[in-house]
Amino acid sequence: EAGVAQSPRYKIIEKRQSVAFWCNPISGHATLYWYQQILGQGPKLLIQFQNNGVVDDSQLPKDRFSAERLKGVDSTLKIQPAKLEDSAVYLCASGTTGGFNSPLHFGNGTRLTVT
Amino acid sequence: GENVEQHPSTLSVQEGDSAVIKCTYSDSASNYFPWYKQELGKRPQLIIDIRSNVGEKKDQRIAVTLNKTAKHFSLHITETQPEDSAVYFCAAPGSSNTGKLIFGQGTTLQVKP
Repeated sequence: EAGVAQSPRYKIIEKRQSVAFWCNPISGHATLYWYQQILGQGPKLLIQFQNNGVVDDSQLPKDRFSAERLKGVDSTLKIQPAKLEDSAVYLCASGTTGGFNSPLHFGNGTRLTVT
Repeated sequence: GENVEQHPSTLSVQEGDSAVIKCTYSDSASNYFPWYKQELGKRPQLIIDIRSNVGEKKDQRIAVTLNKTAKHFSLHITETQPEDSAVYFCAAPGSSNTGKLIFGQGTTLQVKP
């Protein structure tokens, strides 16, 4: 099966600029996650979708981050305006319905550098 | 709260030796514990997982043990090889029971030839 697709692979922007990331999950996976992985740390959940609804966005900095999954398939994550501390790898993952007791499948991530 | 503690943060072993990484979790209702391996610049990949109805699971040179009473689980790698060198992450479900996974801080394993 095709894996989780993400683009772009790399992005360099200046602080206060905007950036958007795209994710296409594994076909049939209802649950989609965006994780932020800062260098040397474990992935930190930003937002979780079940189909096109938000299940958990408690860790999403909503003053600058937004995400959507309008048709329950692809998702975009946006940062506006970016800060230096947003430099990280943004990982998208998908899982089967509900995701309970089942693994997450990660994409290759987007490496964001904010200068 | 939601917390997964992972130790050690770095581990260096000689090729052929065993490596053990331990994680503790806070939510006693957690019932699924995966381990991911992340090579430099690559995505995390599942290497083994365990569910709470078993205490141990093996897959060739890797095994995971679970102690629900103590709320900890461990990854065991035997006969380590240089290609085992990577960062390993444990994970456990969040307390909100939504299916999300909370990750540990990671262990950098170096296997010296």
